[in-house]
Amino acid sequence: ELKVEQNPLFLSMQEGKNYTIYCNYSTTSDRLYWYRQDPGKSLESLFVLLSNGAVKQEGRLMASLDTKARLSTLHITAAVHDLSATYFCAVDPSGGSNYKLTFGKGTLLTVNP
Amino acid sequence: ETGVTQSPTHLIKTRGQQVTLRCSSQSGHNTVSWYQQALGQGPQFIFQYYREEENGRGNFPPRFSGLQFPNYSSELNVNALELDDSALYLCASTARNNEQFFGPGTRLTVL
Repeated sequence: ELKVEQNPLFLSMQEGKNYTIYCNYSTTSDRLYWYRQDPGKSLESLFVLLSNGAVKQEGRLMASLDTKARLSTLHITAAVHDLSATYFCAVDPSGGSNYKLTFGKGTLLTVNP
Repeated sequence: ETGVTQSPTHLIKTRGQQVTLRCSSQSGHNTVSWYQQALGQGPQFIFQYYREEENGRGNFPPRFSGLQFPNYSSELNVNALELDDSALYLCASTARNNEQFFGPGTRLTVL
């Protein structure tokens, strides 16, 4: 059974600081997704990482994928309050052919002024 | 705005009842997946439909069933509701660039 583990599960940080969320998974896959969820809302797609070594950046967020280590990271640069949300990583265990995602438990990020 | 809509937004049912949730995805998105998200947890895969056929199922009992229609809409049906079925139900459709777009969800409360 595929396991997807995120850490930390809770992250409280100050505005302006940097931090990294880690996503480890237990089976071979070269397709990983990052989503953001605001309270009571649906999931917003942030990044789709499709191959080993993939790196994508959008604003203050940067995601990377190391398929050999089965590890993805979501790096936050100079955090601002608007980034407060829950962040999920999700893995497609088929390696990208069937889109049946297994999600981590999520990281609740709180950015304090 | 993902182009994926769900109805209703909220629903309250009692144990033992049946419920139907609906999802409408973008034209051309042949794959629709349904997920259950309990409070404080990540979404869990229920099942997937591709061109109106079930295309895989997660660890959910048969009382969870679905349909997909030619107009890119789909349904999730749950029979004999249990208290633990209370959750946010999300549908997601898959675009040609491999992104999954999630709808706003239906919040189901079972009393």
